[in-house]
Amino acid sequence: AQRVTQPEKLLSVFKGAPVELKCNYSYSGSPELFWYVQYSRQRLQLLLRHISRESIKGFTADLNKGETSFHLKKPFAQEEDSAMYYCALSPLTDSWGKLQFGAGTQVVVTP
Amino acid sequence: DTAVSQTPKYLVTQMGNDKSIKCEQNLGHDTMYWYKQDSKKFLKIMFSYNNKELIINETVPNRFSPKSPDKAHLNLHINSLELGDSAVYFCASSQQGWSYEQYFGPGTRLTVT
Repeated sequence: AQRVTQPEKLLSVFKGAPVELKCNYSYSGSPELFWYVQYSRQRLQLLLRHISRESIKGFTADLNKGETSFHLKKPFAQEEDSAMYYCALSPLTDSWGKLQFGAGTQVVVTP
Repeated sequence: DTAVSQTPKYLVTQMGNDKSIKCEQNLGHDTMYWYKQDSKKFLKIMFSYNNKELIINETVPNRFSPKSPDKAHLNLHINSLELGDSAVYFCASSQQGWSYEQYFGPGTRLTVT
């Protein structure tokens, strides 16, 4: 069975400091991985996905198949990055887009 | 021109009642989903429909019944509400396939007293 683990419930960083959100997964096949973000009073939205290899709002994530990780990184945190971040996995064999979410990490960026 | 909308935003009801949550998307997507977010903010898929056909049905009590009258709508009906049903319910839609972005609604906060 697939599983997504986000070990940090809360991450508090200072503005301008680097931020890294950890995500580990377990899945026997090849997964597609995503990061979704929920800003205060806004709906959940896609931040980035592995397949597109984009950098959004300064965030990047690298898939490490050896460590089964997909950590999210940003070199300089901004106050507007304060939000709830979810790592999610979708099996490549699943044509229906079934997403397995991690428990989420709340990021608080303080000035 | 909201992409995915849900009604109502808030729902407070007593145990044993039956209630429905409606979801509509105007993105032309074929696939729609229902997720439950518990008090610890954990998000879990409940159902998915593709072109009005049920394709994902996770281990959800039979009291929960989704209905899709057309591919732009996916409603969730809950019978005999229990305290443990209190949560935020999110609707989402996407094009068919694992790589496509899912667009989420604003959520419906259900409180069962």
